[in-house]
Amino acid sequence: AQSVTQPDIHITVSEGASLELRCNYSYGATPYLFWYVQSPGQGLQLLLKYFSGDTLVQGIKGFEAEFKRSQSSFNLRKPSVHWSDAAEYFCAVGTITSGTYKYIFGTGTRLKVLA
Amino acid sequence: ETGVTQSPTHLIKTRGQQVTLRCSSQSGHNTVSWYQQALGQGPQFIFQYYREEENGRGNFPPRFSGLQFPNYSSELNVNALELDDSALYLCASSGEVNTQYFGPGTRLTVL
Repeated sequence: AQSVTQPDIHITVSEGASLELRCNYSYGATPYLFWYVQSPGQGLQLLLKYFSGDTLVQGIKGFEAEFKRSQSSFNLRKPSVHWSDAAEYFCAVGTITSGTYKYIFGTGTRLKVLA
Repeated sequence: ETGVTQSPTHLIKTRGQQVTLRCSSQSGHNTVSWYQQALGQGPQFIFQYYREEENGRGNFPPRFSGLQFPNYSSELNVNALELDDSALYLCASSGEVNTQYFGPGTRLTVL
């Protein structure tokens, strides 16, 4: 079955510290992978995406993610977190079922940043 | 370039009522997908419209229905509202086939 797992429901880091958010997926074909960020009461903003090629992808706001096929993972990283990064982060895989392309999302990781 | 917009922002309804949510897709995008995001959950796919035709549906009952118009804007209709329909409803548009761009969502509360 197609699925996305984000093992960490909540993560708390200090401002300036590094960050890694985990994402594991289950999908039989070559995955299209995404990270989105959601501020409270807001929609989803695309941070970055991976389709093919270089397995380390750069996104907006200083985020990057690394695709590891052997581990079925697509972890999001940031070297130095800012207070404004506090939000909820969603990993998603783009899937095709019966000709329909849709996203399957993880349950999200809520990031808290300590001053 | 205008992004994806949704209206209304918030809505309060009672059980059994009907509701219509609206979405304007990003300029040049001909595909609209709708997702339901319950509190504390990731978004769940409801259905997708491509060039005014339904192009796939998730695990939602028929009382969830939709339309897409010639300008590619879209509506989500929910009949016979239930308490569990309370959620954030997200619309996403796509032109480039593999990437979806989301609107701010409509928060629906069913009392």
